[in-house]
Amino acid sequence: DTEVTQTPKHLVMGMTNKKSLKCEQHMGHRAMYWYKQKAKKPPELMFVYSYEKLSINESVPSRFSPECPNSSLLNLHLHALQPEDSALYLCASSSGANQETQYFGPGTRLLVL
Amino acid sequence: EDQVTQSPEALRLQEGESSSLNCSYTVSGLRGLFWYRQDPGKGPEFLFTLYSAGEEKEKERLKATLTKKESFLHITAPKPEDSATYLCAVPVSNDYKLSFGAGTTVTVRA
Repeated sequence: DTEVTQTPKHLVMGMTNKKSLKCEQHMGHRAMYWYKQKAKKPPELMFVYSYEKLSINESVPSRFSPECPNSSLLNLHLHALQPEDSALYLCASSSGANQETQYFGPGTRLLVL
Repeated sequence: EDQVTQSPEALRLQEGESSSLNCSYTVSGLRGLFWYRQDPGKGPEFLFTLYSAGEEKEKERLKATLTKKESFLHITAPKPEDSATYLCAVPVSNDYKLSFGAGTTVTVRA
């Protein structure tokens, strides 16, 4: 099974709201990722957790706050977002060794009003 | 700088009309090349991983091949359900980052 699940599927939030995106995998993977994808563009890496520790932060604004409670779960906390943050947010996981295949979830479509 | 280029940007095919997509890369010491399929508004779906020149992998109507400078995704006798954007990606540096191509959007008409 190569399934990564994400909730919610869709999210509409105002610029003063606080919300969270959730991601889960049960493949025993030890690396988990957050990507942002704008229309007609490839995914852009935001964060990487490796063995539950933040490994990469691609200079993402602090209004995005990742959390990895355990090896199966990944959250992205959102606060005071801007309309330009509207995008498809993708979670992915891989075995834990770098350069291994990343498996993506279905994404959360976020609209910031 | 590591770079991945996909061509063409868009491909319109008649059902049954076979064609190929190209992914060229300029990375030092390739450590794998990944192909994904992405439907509008959905996450990329993993198709293939290729590790060495000469390697080939197949799945239904899709076949991926790899040389030292590029990879091809061949679509044989495509059907409308093969319509999607196809992304290729390569690992960069020694961490978890992938460099993605811009993608090829394939439209197959019945």
